[in-house]
Amino acid sequence: GESVGLHLPTLSVQEGDNSIINCAYSNSASDYFIWYKQESGKGPQFIIDIRSNMDKRQGQRVTVLLNKTVKHLSLQIAATQPGDSAVYFCAENLSIQGAQKLVFGQGTRLTINP
Amino acid sequence: NAGVMQNPRHLVRRRGQEARLRCSPMKGHSHVYWYRQLPEEGLKFMVYLQKENIIDESGMPKERFSAEFPKEGPSILRIQQVVRGDSAAYFCASSPEGQGVNQPQHFGDGTRLSIL
Repeated sequence: GESVGLHLPTLSVQEGDNSIINCAYSNSASDYFIWYKQESGKGPQFIIDIRSNMDKRQGQRVTVLLNKTVKHLSLQIAATQPGDSAVYFCAENLSIQGAQKLVFGQGTRLTINP
Repeated sequence: NAGVMQNPRHLVRRRGQEARLRCSPMKGHSHVYWYRQLPEEGLKFMVYLQKENIIDESGMPKERFSAEFPKEGPSILRIQQVVRGDSAAYFCASSPEGQGVNQPQHFGDGTRLSIL
C-alpha cells in the first residue's frame, strides 16, 4: 500500500546534540524522497532530498540516509539549535504515468531542551 | 523572491456555504498540487494540476470539491456546501515546468478553513 510512517512521534534533545529522525516507507518502487520541516502556522519547508540511486546526501547541518533494503530513511541534524524545533515529515514521491504526488508520514515533533 | 502564495490565510464559513481557496505558484512553476492537513497529522494529497488540466484528482472527494488552474490567474480549490468535517488546513505546492518528475514541491503557508 501507499504509506510512509515514522517510528517516533516526538523527539526531545539537548541543545547542541545531534538529532536523528527516522522514517519507514512501503513502496519499493519509490525513487525520490524529501524531508520537510513544518513550524507552527506555516507550510512545509523543504530541507533536503535524496534519489534512490544514492544512500547518503549532506546539506548544511543535515544529512539524509537512505536504506533501500529495509525501506528506511533518516534525517540527521547536527548541533541542534532552538530554531530546529518543529515537526519533521518525510515524504515519498510517487510517480505514476506522468502524474506525481507526495505521500507524507505522520510527522515527528522535535523539541530542544536548553 | 515570492514563494507560493495562498489566500486567504484563514477562512470561516458556516455549514452549507461555499469556500474558495486561492493559490499562486512560484514564478516559473506550472505544476500545482493541493494537500489537506488535519491537526497532528501529515499532509494528504488531493489533486495535481498543470495549466488548464487536471492530471490526478485521486485524493479529492468526488462530490462538493473541485479544483482548477486556469491559463491566467491563480489555482482555485472550491468546496461547495461545506460541512464541519471540511475544517482543516489546505496547502498548495508548486514545482517547475518541464521538471515534474523528481523535483521538490515548494509549499505555501496554507489556508486554515473553519466551519461553524
